[in-house]
Amino acid sequence: NAGVMQNPRHLVRRRGQEARLRCSPMKGHSHVYWYRQLPEEGLKFMVYLQKENIIDESGMPKERFSAEFPKEGPSILRIQQVVRGDSAAYFCASSQQGGPLHFGNGTRLTVT
Amino acid sequence: AQKITQTQPGMFVQEKEAVTLDCTYDTSDPSYGLFWYKQPSSGEMIFLIYQGSYDQQNATEGRYSLNFQKARKSANLVISASQLGDSAMYFCAMREKTGNFNKFYFGSGTKLNVKP
Repeated sequence: NAGVMQNPRHLVRRRGQEARLRCSPMKGHSHVYWYRQLPEEGLKFMVYLQKENIIDESGMPKERFSAEFPKEGPSILRIQQVVRGDSAAYFCASSQQGGPLHFGNGTRLTVT
Repeated sequence: AQKITQTQPGMFVQEKEAVTLDCTYDTSDPSYGLFWYKQPSSGEMIFLIYQGSYDQQNATEGRYSLNFQKARKSANLVISASQLGDSAMYFCAMREKTGNFNKFYFGSGTKLNVKP
């Protein structure tokens, strides 16, 4: 199956630790988007990347959050020094130019 | 102005009946796309249906159809013959072009409850 793969599915971190979320886009897709979803809420855009380029990071908090999509390997969303407010579901989606977004199953981050 | 507006936080429908979920959008891009996604309680986001701004006919996919009214800037989702498994959150989304790239906007969602 060539769907969007996210891992881990669940991630528990203590306050102050780092969280690394991985996303492999669908085969043939070169555009990756990251979204955050709090319980009972909609999707909040975070960042849009193409291979080796950040296209739009207007939704990313200025501190502690970073994202990359290297030439080889998955896209990584990195959260440093996590706080309780970072607890959420993080979704990755990929698309071809002009096509719909296809989502992964998400990573549920819990900060204790 | 909001790019995507879903005015119904929650909806109830009787099993086997049809239901319409509302969505309005705002864009100045002539070449945009409209999408609907379903998010069941298990959490995954499932792509349901797509409508391009230049498409003359309303999109249909099985029991899903998109009632596209371009002049009103509305893209309502119609689910016919509702099933219990249709109970979920439904998100309307729009793609518009920004320079050479596409940006996607999502509505706040409608929670659909199908009653037996």
